[in-house]
Amino acid sequence: QQQVKQSPQSLIVQKGGISIINCAYENTAFDYFPWYQQFPGKGPALLIAIRPDVSEKKEGRFTISFNKSAKQFSLHIMDSQPGDSATYFCAANDKTSYDKVIFGPGTSLSVIP
Amino acid sequence: NAGVTQTPKFQVLKTGQSMTLQCAQDMNHEYMSWYRQDPGMGLRLIHYSVGAGITDQGEVPNGYNVSRSTTEDFPLRLLSAAPSQTSVYFCASSRNRDRVRTEAFFGQGTRLTVV
Repeated sequence: QQQVKQSPQSLIVQKGGISIINCAYENTAFDYFPWYQQFPGKGPALLIAIRPDVSEKKEGRFTISFNKSAKQFSLHIMDSQPGDSATYFCAANDKTSYDKVIFGPGTSLSVIP
Repeated sequence: NAGVTQTPKFQVLKTGQSMTLQCAQDMNHEYMSWYRQDPGMGLRLIHYSVGAGITDQGEVPNGYNVSRSTTEDFPLRLLSAAPSQTSVYFCASSRNRDRVRTEAFFGQGTRLTVV
């Protein structure tokens, strides 16, 4: 049973377009929601993160939208570039268990010219 | 400052063999963890540690052992390798100080094949 659900599994976006990845969770013990970006052959690296007391966080072209009541959050990549092509993982930290990080299954993003 | 270092990068094992995946961090992080990454499954937590001498199980602990004798090192042991353990393994570390989180830093991964 996946504690963090993520969709779509894969995504193809044209250069300059908007990439949107959605995630959902059930566990109310989750209180920190990071997104990680992973390039082939590399380990994941933190992209952006949000706490549930904030509805939106923006860093450059990357924005997280958070809906606490629906237990959903999403990543928007504006003006998508070929260099954004990577696998994106949403995640959640479990505050009741030493901040264990639980990952979603990932989204493979391809940005085509 | 090397961050999180994993060795080896690649390994092929025969069924039933044992081995240890090494992980070391030089950032003085309290929290360390091991994940396995399989296609379509994301990163699944195997074991984690909140400090030297303290370890606990994650989502998929069976077939793996860990210990944490120092802050820097967190090795993962496969007791008797099985083909189902073929995967890419990632070690990560982060600070857990006064419950103020920092980001998790990942190693480059170990690609393990069990034949």
